[in-house]
Amino acid sequence: AQKVTQAQTEISVVEKEDVTLDCVYETRDTTYYLFWYKQPPSGELVFLIRRNSFDEQNEISGRYSWNFQKSTSSFNFTITASQVVDSAVYFCALSSGRDDKIIFGKGTRLHILP
Amino acid sequence: KAGVTQTPRYLIKTRGQQVTLSCSPISGHRSVSWYQQTPGQGLQFLFEYFSETQRNKGNFPGRFSGRQFSNSRSEMNVSTLELGDSALYLCASRSGLAGAGDTQYFGPGTRLTVL
Repeated sequence: AQKVTQAQTEISVVEKEDVTLDCVYETRDTTYYLFWYKQPPSGELVFLIRRNSFDEQNEISGRYSWNFQKSTSSFNFTITASQVVDSAVYFCALSSGRDDKIIFGKGTRLHILP
Repeated sequence: KAGVTQTPRYLIKTRGQQVTLSCSPISGHRSVSWYQQTPGQGLQFLFEYFSETQRNKGNFPGRFSGRQFSNSRSEMNVSTLELGDSALYLCASRSGLAGAGDTQYFGPGTRLTVL
């Protein structure tokens, strides 16, 4: 069975601090895809990144970076120099080659305090 | 390209009524998925349609149904509303042609309140 675990339910940090959101996944498939989404208070889920299982390169996009490690089945997300606008719920998701369903974690609510 | 649109954005109904929500996917996308989001249960998958056929279904009672039209627009219907159906209903679209690797893009959601 596929599963995504986001153990951190809620995190609060002071603005400008770095913060890492953890995501651990389970799948038996060798081909799979991982995603991160951001859900601001408005409610819409905003796509952030997609990574396939054959590409373990870390990715950096501005203040955002992602660390994909197959050895630990983790796909962690780091925000550097956090800003108040980063306050949102962040979801990690998984889909595999066999099943078209996308499995979401329960999300991590991030509070950036001014 | 325009994003995923959902109508209405807000809806208030009473128990026992039925409701229909609408979703227009991104142009060219043939797959539409529906999710229910509540504070207690998180994001739960309802169903996915591709080219007018239901491709996947979540664990929801038969009161929840959907359909997709030839232009890929989708509707979901909830009959005999219960208080527990109060939630944010999110629609997402993807091209549907690349299999599981497709990225889903979400609409702004419809917030349904059942009184």
